[in-house]
Amino acid sequence: DAGVTQSPTHLIKTRGQQVTLRCSPKSGHDTVSWYQQALGQGPQFIFQYYEEEERQRGNFPDRFSGHQFPNYSSELNVNALWLGDSALYLCASSLAGPPYEQYFGPGTRLTVT
Amino acid sequence: GQQVMQIPQYQHVQEGEDFTTYCNSSTTLSNIQWYKQRPGGHPVFLIQLVKSGEVKKQKRLTFQFGEAKKNSSLHITATQTTDVGTYFCAGNSGTYKYIFGTGTRLKVLA
Repeated sequence: DAGVTQSPTHLIKTRGQQVTLRCSPKSGHDTVSWYQQALGQGPQFIFQYYEEEERQRGNFPDRFSGHQFPNYSSELNVNALWLGDSALYLCASSLAGPPYEQYFGPGTRLTVT
Repeated sequence: GQQVMQIPQYQHVQEGEDFTTYCNSSTTLSNIQWYKQRPGGHPVFLIQLVKSGEVKKQKRLTFQFGEAKKNSSLHITATQTTDVGTYFCAGNSGTYKYIFGTGTRLKVLA
């Protein structure tokens, strides 16, 4: 039973560029949440996707957008990258209903120079 | 906005000593989850608490949810070197969004 997978593992981008990160949820899960984790801090909720729609959004600018595909996989897009966007981006999958246990992927380490 | 704080920020213990981390929310929670993140790793789900005053145990780990559903704690009895990592609580106020705490980094000295 495959867990949550993310790609790529690491990424280096230049300020102003755009990036797309990918996530495949755990088998049987239909909901995907994205988090940003800066070094030494807790994960911060970016948004959650369910039934190919953004179901809830955290306090992130419109430069952060996402998509969920019919097979439940998801993408996170960040436009006009800032230096401050450098972080570990985590994808978590869960079921739409309780118990809402979140399974996290290994993350994508994004460095913006 | 909702905030979730954890204390202490860091804790160093000798192997065999007990450890406790406390989580406090600025708002009443619907439920709270606890995660462990090893250095260089990703958060791993430990448990979810839903009911006021709920206490759950997992081997040496004891989790409590406060009566007012605004605070929670994780207690580890007789720590082992495998307990090293950062422990996060994540609170939910009835939406789909979980707010993670600031985390407590545990180091266990052999």
